[in-house]
Amino acid sequence: ETGVTQTPRHLVMGMTNKKSLKCEQHLGHNAMYWYKQSAKKPLELMFVYNFKEQTENNSVPSRFSPECPNSSHLFLHLHTLQPEDSALYLCASSQVHRGGRTDTQYFGPGTRLTVL
Amino acid sequence: AQSVTQPDIHITVSEGASLELRCNYSYGATPYLFWYVQSPGQGLQLLLKYFSGDTLVQGIKGFEAEFKRSQSSFNLRKPSVHWSDAAEYFCAVGGGATNKLIFGTGTLLAVQP
Repeated sequence: ETGVTQTPRHLVMGMTNKKSLKCEQHLGHNAMYWYKQSAKKPLELMFVYNFKEQTENNSVPSRFSPECPNSSHLFLHLHTLQPEDSALYLCASSQVHRGGRTDTQYFGPGTRLTVL
Repeated sequence: AQSVTQPDIHITVSEGASLELRCNYSYGATPYLFWYVQSPGQGLQLLLKYFSGDTLVQGIKGFEAEFKRSQSSFNLRKPSVHWSDAAEYFCAVGGGATNKLIFGTGTLLAVQP
C-alpha cells in the first residue's frame, strides 16, 4: 500500500449505531488530519494530530471521537450521529517541520458516510 | 482574517481550449499555496504547490500556476484542456508556525466535447 488509505470507503449507519473510520498513512509523516466535506460547503478541518498529540479540535461535536494510537494510524469513532453528519470524511497526512511549518498534505480517498 | 476565495463556482470550457481558475487569498504570514484536484467520490490530489522561489510553478497533468504577491493571487492555468480534466479544483493556503491549511470553496470544471 502506498499513500494514504481509508476504510471503509462507504458506510451507512443508523443514528443509534457506533462505527469507526480508519485511516493509515504509508508516507512516514508525523501529522494527520480529519476533514469533513459536505455538499456545497467548504472543506471543514475537524481534528489535527501532530506527533500523536491532538493539537486542533475545530469545535467538533462530541459524537465524533478521534484516536491516534501512532503516527501512521488515525481513527474517527462515531456514535449517535445525526443525518446532517452525512458527508465525505477525508483523512490527510503531512510532515511537520521544526516550528510547525506547513508542508503538503496528502489525502486519502475518503469514506462516504450516510446516516439514516 | 485568513481566507481563500475562488470566485468561480462553476466553469465550462470546450475541450482544447485554455483554462484559468482564479484564487485569491488573505493571509498574515508568508503564504504557502497549493492547488488540489478532486474527481467525484475521490480524495484530493495535489496538482502543484508554491513555497518560495520562481513564482511560476509547474505541476502535474500540464497545469501551472503563478504566484502574484501584489495581487494576492495564485491562479491555475492550462493551455489546452482535456475531457479528463473535468473535476473540482481547490486552492489552499498555509504558512507560518502552523501546519493547518485553509481551503477555498472549490471550482467545478466541466469540459464540453
